[in-house]
This record gives sequence, structure tokens and C-alpha cells, in this order.
Amino acid sequence: EAGVVQSPRYKIIEKKQPVAFWCNPISGHNTLYWYLQNLGQGPELLIRYENEEAVDDSQLPKDRFSAERLKGVDSTLKIQPAELGDSAVYLCASSLGQGSNQPQHFGDGTRLSIL
Amino acid sequence: KNEVEQSPQNLTAQEGEFITINCSYSVGISALHWLQQHPGGGIVSLFMLSSGKKKHGRLIATINIQEKHSSLHITASHPRDSAVYICAVTGNQFYFGTGTSLTVIP
Repeated sequence: EAGVVQSPRYKIIEKKQPVAFWCNPISGHNTLYWYLQNLGQGPELLIRYENEEAVDDSQLPKDRFSAERLKGVDSTLKIQPAELGDSAVYLCASSLGQGSNQPQHFGDGTRLSIL
Repeated sequence: KNEVEQSPQNLTAQEGEFITINCSYSVGISALHWLQQHPGGGIVSLFMLSSGKKKHGRLIATINIQEKHSSLHITASHPRDSAVYICAVTGNQFYFGTGTSLTVIP
């Protein structure tokens, strides 16, 4: 089974520029997560989707971050404009069905560097 | 205050040593996860458990619900076990620990 696919793997941009990350979850996985991970820290949830509905976006900085999951499959996470403090690894994960008892499968992440 | 605390933060071991990583949590949970993250970012789910003990190869995970504590053991450690091990719990939401960075020296 193919895993969670994220792209790009790395992204370097100047501050104030926009950036977008893409995630393709495991086929059949209804739940999709976007996490931010700073160096030396655990992942922090940004947004969780159940199919195409964002059911938890309380930690998403909505002034500059946006996400969408059209058709309940692939998802994109966008930052506009990017700030220096946004440098981090952005992880996407998916799980089968609802509920927190399902194991999450993680992508390799997108490492974002802001110059 | 962190809902999930791991110890130690960093651990260096000689190849072949028995390793224990601890995780304590303060929230009600329905499951606890142990994750492995190699340099470069990829995270792999090792275990999901809600009671007792699970074993997979050289890895053993235990959980004590009453004490809100879990341990991850690695027997006969090997340099390829070098990674960050993250404990996460699921209750109303996911809570992640900050990870334990393990280095196994040949």
C-alpha cells in the first residue's frame, strides 16, 4: 500500500512570499491531519479533516494559514505571507475512519526554510 | 504544562544495550502511541496500545493505565535504532510528547 505522499520535500523561500504544501493521503483514509513540527519538539496539530470537512482548525493561524481538502482526498496547506518563524517541518498524516483510536500514518514532511 | 512528558530527552547507548524510554501523561486517554522519527522527518507508527503490553521484534511497549505511564523498551539495541521516539496519547485530541533522541553507538 502506498503511504502518505507529501510534496515538496523541501522548500526555501524569502519572507513575505506565499508557499503551498500538498498531501495525498492513503487511499480510503477519511481523516487527514496537518501538523507543524519545530526542531526538538513534537508535532503540533494545525488542522484535522474528516472527509472534506475541517473538524478541528482551532490551532490554525487563520490570518496567514489556510487549508483545503477538496473532494475529501488530497489536501493543500498554504501560508501567505510566510514569516521567519514559520520555518519548520510540516507533516501530513491520515487515518482510517473517525476517532482518535485509529493509528495515524505520516508522510515524510515538507521542510520549510524562510530566508 | 505538557500533557505528555517523556524521559530522558536524550539517550546514548552502546550497541547491544537494553534501552528504556518512559512516557507519562496527565489526561484521560483512549490509546497511547509510540512513534519513531528518523532524521529527515519521516514518522513511523510503532505501537498503538490501550492496555497491557505489545511486542514487535526487539521492541516492547507497556502501559499502566492506573499510573498513566508507558514504557518503550528496545532489546539488543543497534545503531539503526538511532532515531527520535515520540509518545502520543489520544483522548479528546492528540497530544504529543517532545520526543526522546536515541543514539546507539557501534
